[in-house]
Amino acid sequence: GQNIDQPTEMTATEGAIVQINCTYQTSGFNGLFWYQQHAGEAPTFLSYNVLDGLEEKGRFSSFLSRSKGYSYLLLKELQMKDSASYLCAGGSNDYKLSFGAGTTVTVRA
Amino acid sequence: KAGVTQTPRYLIKTRGQQVTLSCSPISGHRSVSWYQQTPGQGLQFLFEYFSETQRNKGNFPGRFSGRQFSNSRSEMNVSTLELGDSALYLCASSLIGQSRSYEQYFGPGTRLTVT
Repeated sequence: GQNIDQPTEMTATEGAIVQINCTYQTSGFNGLFWYQQHAGEAPTFLSYNVLDGLEEKGRFSSFLSRSKGYSYLLLKELQMKDSASYLCAGGSNDYKLSFGAGTTVTVRA
Repeated sequence: KAGVTQTPRYLIKTRGQQVTLSCSPISGHRSVSWYQQTPGQGLQFLFEYFSETQRNKGNFPGRFSGRQFSNSRSEMNVSTLELGDSALYLCASSLIGQSRSYEQYFGPGTRLTVT
């Protein structure tokens, strides 16, 4: 089975950095995904980590430690448009993604 | 390249009725997954199809079913609707998904309201 935990809410100021942590317990683990979902819209893919380490994509970076069952998404130089829900999801060999409840990030001016 | 499309976008049904939702994946994507999203439960996995075969199913009652056609289009059906089935139903497609999870691209969803 899968168990994905992430904080419910986070607030940060425009231009700042925010780190969203995610812990997982996954059988047949096959990668860790991060998605962004704006209110009323579908989730959009942000990142995928299958090996340990940091993956950087512009202002967004994602980190994975398989031995610790831990990942984080780092958002740098926050912009107002980054206000959204960020979903951590564990992939498994049985062809499913299990999502956490999501972290709502609010960016304030 | 066109994205994942879902029809209808909005639907209102009454308790006891049944409903069929449709999903057309991105061209070339053969894996289609369905999710239910509610404010209280988040995104819950319903089932995944690949080459017309259901490979995995989430913890939902038998009232929820689905299928996939030879052109990879997929449908899900909910029979005997209950108030608790009111949710956003999302479909996602991915390129392979044979031996490993791969990034999934979501459609806009179907907002189902059961009254």
